[in-house]
Amino acid sequence: EVQLVQSGAEVKKPGESLRISCQGSGFGFTNFWIGWVRQMPGKGLEWMGKIDPSDSYTDYSPSFRGHVTMSADKSISTAFLQWSSLKASDTAVYYCARLIYSSSTYYSEYWGQGTLVTVSS
Amino acid sequence: QTVLTQPPSVSGAPGQRVTIPCTGGSSNIGARYDVHWYQQHPGRAPKLLIYGYTNRPSGVPDRFSGSKSGTSASLAITGLQAEDEAYYYCQSYDSSLTSYVFGTGTKVTVL
Repeated sequence: EVQLVQSGAEVKKPGESLRISCQGSGFGFTNFWIGWVRQMPGKGLEWMGKIDPSDSYTDYSPSFRGHVTMSADKSISTAFLQWSSLKASDTAVYYCARLIYSSSTYYSEYWGQGTLVTVSS
Repeated sequence: QTVLTQPPSVSGAPGQRVTIPCTGGSSNIGARYDVHWYQQHPGRAPKLLIYGYTNRPSGVPDRFSGSKSGTSASLAITGLQAEDEAYYYCQSYDSSLTSYVFGTGTKVTVL
C-alpha cells in the first residue's frame, strides 16, 4: 500500500527555523517526484514545487523560490520542506504528494495527511 | 495571480447533475497542458478525482467525469450524493508562470 506519512503539527515563533518531513512507503521512493502544496487557513491549494528524490533535483514555483528549501534523503525514503526564518504568513497546512507524469503535466496521485504549521509570537 | 478560475460554489439536490467549470487561457489549458481534478473534504487531504482531463483513478465512481473545450475544462458529477459535498480544485501547468497552478476552488453543496 502506497503511503505518505508526514510529521506532526508544529507551533513556532517568527524568526525560528523549521523542517517538516514526508516519509514514503509501499513504493520505490526514488522512482517518483514528490511535490509540496500549501493551504493557508480557509484558502485554496497552492503549488510550491517538487523534488526528485533520486538526485535531489528541485523545481520550485517562482512564488516560493528563495522562501523554502526542499530536500530528500533517499536512504530513509523521506522528503523535507524547511524554512530558515519563519513568518506569521507561513501559517498553513503543508501537503506532500507523490507525482505522476501524464503526457504533459504532473499530477498528485497520493497525498500525505498534511502538516499544520502555526507561526505566532 | 489567478490563472484558473472556478465558481466559488455550486449546489444541487441529491440525484441531480452539477458541473464545475475551470476557465484558463492560452498559456495553460489552451496550450494543451493536461487538467486534473481533486476533491477535498474539510479537514482532510485532497484526493485525486480525474487526471488527464477525463481519466478516473481506480476506486473513483463513474459519477465523476471530466471534459475539455478550448481554454476551459469541466468536472461533472451525476447522481449527486451527500458525500459529494466537498471542495473541488482543478490543476494544470502555466507556461507564463513556469509553474503548476491550481484553480480557485469550488464548494459543492448538496441541498
